[in-house]
Amino acid sequence: EVKLQQSGDELVRPGASVKMSCKASGYTFTDYAMHWVKQSPGQGLEWIGTIIPLIDTTSYNQKFKGKATLTADKSSNTAYMELSRLTSEDSAVYYCAREPLGTDVMDAWGQGASVTVSS
Amino acid sequence: DIQMTQTPSSMPASLGERVTISCRASQGISNYLNWYQQKPDGTIKPLIYYTSNLQSGVPSRFSGSGSGTDYSLTISSLEPEDFAMYYCQQYDSSPLTFGSGTKLEIK
Repeated sequence: EVKLQQSGDELVRPGASVKMSCKASGYTFTDYAMHWVKQSPGQGLEWIGTIIPLIDTTSYNQKFKGKATLTADKSSNTAYMELSRLTSEDSAVYYCAREPLGTDVMDAWGQGASVTVSS
Repeated sequence: DIQMTQTPSSMPASLGERVTISCRASQGISNYLNWYQQKPDGTIKPLIYYTSNLQSGVPSRFSGSGSGTDYSLTISSLEPEDFAMYYCQQYDSSPLTFGSGTKLEIK
């Protein structure tokens, strides 16, 4: 069974950073890209960026450059996203989603992880 | 960035009804358009890829069509599990962008 298990919800202080994880199981991790998507409260979906673990290549939405850093650990089949210099605008649910390489469709999604930025 | 405008933003409908959700891109996207469903618990799954191709495991009552800037998702006969949010997403150019969503509600 394909599963993307995301790390738990986070409460963080303004100005801090947070690193969340997305552990993949049930498939070959390097056969897929991993996307990250933001959903602000009551809002739609916003693409943050993508990492291709096979070649360790990243692609970012310009809006999130400097805010998000995507990494992947092939030895543990885990993708990570670190968000830095957090503000209230970063309070949202964040999803990871895999894409079979070259298909341009996110065919499996994590359950989402909530980040709340508050003092 | 390509803007994706979905209409309507919410749609009350009845079981068994046929419904259509529209998605308009701010420029032509050459059929590079996917549809996703989000349930109230946050679970997201793909429905349609490349405008009209049904994702594996998705019931045949879902269909997609369109070209150029205008696309649509049709559900031929609503089932209880179809009441959810629906999003279109273009992948013609970076950044990938989603529509603002359509909430399908029980009438």
